[in-house]
Amino acid sequence: DAGVIQSPRHEVTEMGQEVTLRCKPISGHNSLFWYRQTMMRGLELLIYFNNNVPIDDSGMPEDRFSAKMPNASFSTLKIQPSEPRDSAVYFCASSSGGPNEQYFGPGTRLTVT
Amino acid sequence: AQRVTQPEKLLSVFKGAPVELKCNYSYSGSPELFWYVQYSRQRLQLLLRHISRESIKGFTADLNKGETSFHLKKPFAQEEDSAMYYCALSTGFQKLVFGTGTRLLVSP
Repeated sequence: DAGVIQSPRHEVTEMGQEVTLRCKPISGHNSLFWYRQTMMRGLELLIYFNNNVPIDDSGMPEDRFSAKMPNASFSTLKIQPSEPRDSAVYFCASSSGGPNEQYFGPGTRLTVT
Repeated sequence: AQRVTQPEKLLSVFKGAPVELKCNYSYSGSPELFWYVQYSRQRLQLLLRHISRESIKGFTADLNKGETSFHLKKPFAQEEDSAMYYCALSTGFQKLVFGTGTRLLVSP
């Protein structure tokens, strides 16, 4: 099992452009999480899904951010329009539910210039 | 509100020295606490959880409800312990609240 897969691994874009980050969770896991990691704020939960349904999106910074999970094996996090302050590493994680271990992807390093 | 505090951004020790990474939490319910670790060029991964009461790679952590702490300890640090360590609180419904992390640097 390749674990949680994220793409792209690195993204450099200009301010105002749309950015789409992708995640494939571990097969059989029914919960998916999107996190943002910065030096100042550490690891912040943006949104999480259970059985493809968004459960808590209170961490999404503003309307420029949106996330979808059209099926059990795919999720996207979109930023439109992007801003320099969105520069961070974005992680996707999945778990089999409950207070169980979350398995993290390698992350996407986003740089907005 | 739920909160996890890791007061040290960087902890630097010599090989063989004891290590204690501090973690304090704020939560009105019954907490479940975890330590996650991120080694260089590797994924963030679970190190240990308090309900297991286990020692992983020589690390232990005891939940102290009176002091609302879950400090991570190791009696003799090794160079391979150098990594970023995150304390996390589960507030139910699968959600984890992470601290800001502590970078542990073990020098030879």
